[in-house]
This record gives sequence, C-alpha cells and structure tokens, in this order.
Amino acid sequence: DAKTTQPNSMESNEEEPVHLPCNHSTISGTDYIHWYRQLPSQGPEYVIHGLTSNVNNRMASLAIAEDRKSSTLILHRATLRDAAVYYCIGNQAGTALIFGKGTTLSVSS
Amino acid sequence: DAGVIQSPRHEVTEMGQEVTLRCKPISGHNSLFWYRQTMMRGLELLIYFNNNVPIDDSGMPEDRFSAKMPNASFSTLKIQPSEPRDSAVYFCASSLGSPRTEAFFGQGTRLTVV
Repeated sequence: DAKTTQPNSMESNEEEPVHLPCNHSTISGTDYIHWYRQLPSQGPEYVIHGLTSNVNNRMASLAIAEDRKSSTLILHRATLRDAAVYYCIGNQAGTALIFGKGTTLSVSS
Repeated sequence: DAGVIQSPRHEVTEMGQEVTLRCKPISGHNSLFWYRQTMMRGLELLIYFNNNVPIDDSGMPEDRFSAKMPNASFSTLKIQPSEPRDSAVYFCASSLGSPRTEAFFGQGTRLTVV
C-alpha cells in the first residue's frame, strides 16, 4: 500500500466545513484512495474512496489532486458526531487496508 | 444484513489460557480481515483471507496466534497461550475483495489478559 501522511490532529467548529488533507506521493496509478473513520469505542467505518476523479456521497466529498499525490476529505458541515479519527489509505488490488495513525478531528459546539 | 458479527464482545482471561475470538462476515463477502488495535501500535493487520484461503499472515505476531476460516461464513482467531501483552481490541472486517469496494468492520472484541 502507498504510504500516506496526515496531520495528527485538527479542530473544527460545528456546522463549518472541514478539509482533511492527505499526502500520498508514492501512490501507484492503480491504487485507490480510501478514507475511513473511527468513532470512539467503535470499529472503523467507510467514508469514501476514489481513483482519479473527485467523488461525492452522503457523508463527504473526496477531492483528488490531478497528479494524485494528495487528496482532501471534505466534510461539508461538521457535527459533533463527526469527531473521530480519520484514516487515509492507499490500497492496491488484492491487498488489505493498512491503517496509519490518522487525523484526530475534534469538533466544538 | 446484521453486518459483521464478532463474539464475544469482551473477554477477560488469565495468562496462559487459550482464547478464541469468532467472526461471522457479511454474507456474500469473499474477503475477511483480522486487525488488532492498541494505543501504542494503533490498528494493525493480523491476517487477510480471500475465498477462505489465507493470503497475507505476515502480521500474525508469533506462533501463539492462529486463524482459520473453515467456510465462507465463519472465522476464528485463536491465541494459545495468551499473555498480558495480547490485551487489545480485535476487529474482524469483511469485503467483496476489491479496492473499489468498502470493508465493513465488526464492533470488536476487547480482550484483557491478566
């Protein structure tokens, strides 16, 4: 899996957008970029994934740089329930997800 | 679907005892993963099965750990003998086995070895 680099922590206010960055400069052309999050005392849960194009779903948006060396997870309106550890993972076909330390997101009311 | 089901949710055992953790993946999923999470080491991959066959077990710490997947709907992770340093939360996950699809995680088993 491609090595990813994320900030250790970020803070946000409720109802404001959050942009979580991820660098993956060693990613190969066929590696998908996955984002998972882990709420306190729960297992990781899928957020979004993409290959080259930007992606949107009900939870978030994923903006992938044209050179694919970085991506940004966008939470459009943070809520208190979005406080979690967010993991960015570069995943090759036929391999398991390898989790790094992720970014701990704090959301204040 | 009820999602990935793990049992037990909590296990407390004495050092030296055998521990068996169980996982029922989502029906139709052909990939199954076991992870371990501690504060010190984060979330570590232990083993990955595809179509019931172990594909990558490089994360299994030592011979005390073994995992089996006798059929598509059941997997076990066994620790024998258990040690205090095995205390962690163990997660099982399943997926359709493609990087284009998502993995679903169970609620985890919190293991405490005293």
